[in-house]
Amino acid sequence: QVQLVESGGGVVQPGGSLRLSCAASGFIFSSYAMHWVRQAPGKGLEWVAFIRYDGNNKYYADSVKGRFTISRDNSKNTLYLQMNSLRAEDTAVYYCAKDDGDDFDYWGQGTLVTVSS
Amino acid sequence: EIVLTQSPATLSLSPGERATLSCRASQSVSSYLAWYQQKPGQAPRLLIYDASNRATGIPARFSGSGSGTDFTLTISSLEPEDFAVYYCQQRTNWPTITFGQGTRLEIK
Repeated sequence: QVQLVESGGGVVQPGGSLRLSCAASGFIFSSYAMHWVRQAPGKGLEWVAFIRYDGNNKYYADSVKGRFTISRDNSKNTLYLQMNSLRAEDTAVYYCAKDDGDDFDYWGQGTLVTVSS
Repeated sequence: EIVLTQSPATLSLSPGERATLSCRASQSVSSYLAWYQQKPGQAPRLLIYDASNRATGIPARFSGSGSGTDFTLTISSLEPEDFAVYYCQQRTNWPTITFGQGTRLEIK
């Protein structure tokens, strides 16, 4: 069955960096676009970034553009999110989600990122 | 940017009752609208895609309708496990995505 497992979250100081990973299994990872979506504590869902199945097209929310970088390694079935210049408002649970061409049909369980001094 | 506005913010109903949740878009999204359910501590789960199609494994008591700017998620007879937060999502400008702010469905 499809599984998406995020890791890499933790506590980081403002201005710091963190790299999230999402290990995928149960489907042909290299055939599907992927996204990162985040959710601040007690808040709604916010789309963060997209990467095409081959890694050649990437899009970002304005709130993270220039600070976050999405990437993937199809040989390792893994999605990444490099987060630099972190701010308090980046504090959230970060989910990776599989794009089935219509919507997000599978989500990981999420990893918590806390930006605090 | 297309803004999705969900109403009501909170809906209080009893098991067995019918729930009607609304999602309004600031401009037409055609039928490119999905609904997700999220329970505390869990990831969202896809319920409805393309406005009216149930995702795999979703019970028939969940239905979606609408097109253009006005959409509705209906739960015909609430089960205890249906009390959760529901989000609508549009993909007209795919791959950039926007979500509504959510409707909390709580037990009365």
